[in-house]
Amino acid sequence: DTGVSQNPRHKITKRGQNVTFRCDPISEHNRLYWYRQTLGQGPEFLTYFQNEAQLEKSRLLSDRFSAERPKGSFSTLEIQRTEQGDSAMYLCASSLDTSPLHFGNGTRLTVT
Amino acid sequence: AQSVTQLDSQVPVFEEAPVELRCNYSSSVSVYLFWYVQYPNQGLQLLLKYLSGSTLVKGINGFEAEFNKSQTSFHLRKPSVHISDTAEYFCAVTRTLNFNKFYFGSGTKLNVKP
Repeated sequence: DTGVSQNPRHKITKRGQNVTFRCDPISEHNRLYWYRQTLGQGPEFLTYFQNEAQLEKSRLLSDRFSAERPKGSFSTLEIQRTEQGDSAMYLCASSLDTSPLHFGNGTRLTVT
Repeated sequence: AQSVTQLDSQVPVFEEAPVELRCNYSSSVSVYLFWYVQYPNQGLQLLLKYLSGSTLVKGINGFEAEFNKSQTSFHLRKPSVHISDTAEYFCAVTRTLNFNKFYFGSGTKLNVKP
């Protein structure tokens, strides 16, 4: 169990640029989640995959956000035309069926 | 939908004192409950979970929590805290039916003073 890995740890970008984050879940986990956490708040659900299928998306996930999980392994979260309001910690978590979530250390995005 | 309320945004406490972090939830369906801890610049780590059975659950680092269905609460307790317990604590809930979305509270920052 090497844990959930997220890259990069930090990303600073200028408004209007596109960014992509990567998450490598625990290898045998079939479920993968993306959450967003802003200062002073708990994690907010963004989207969820079971294997390669994206089963649920939050209304928080605007058209500028897209997530993929090809072949049911790693996942990417892309934000197009970033805005200052996108600045947050993006957390990835994985689980095996109905086990509790295992979180990565997150990617902190700063949009200037 | 489910929701979680953590009324205390910050809890200061002296080392070796007992502490209770409060969590209340609302849900129209049966739920499972969790407590996670987050250290600075890190992800969340599971402390303990309530799925079924005994309403008093024990977790890592000497923490325990009690599920109270009538009061819809799941308060976290530790009889004697250490400096190393300084962190942010999140209560979370998910539906028992499909376990596919976790709802988190806004967190409680525990500040243990020497």
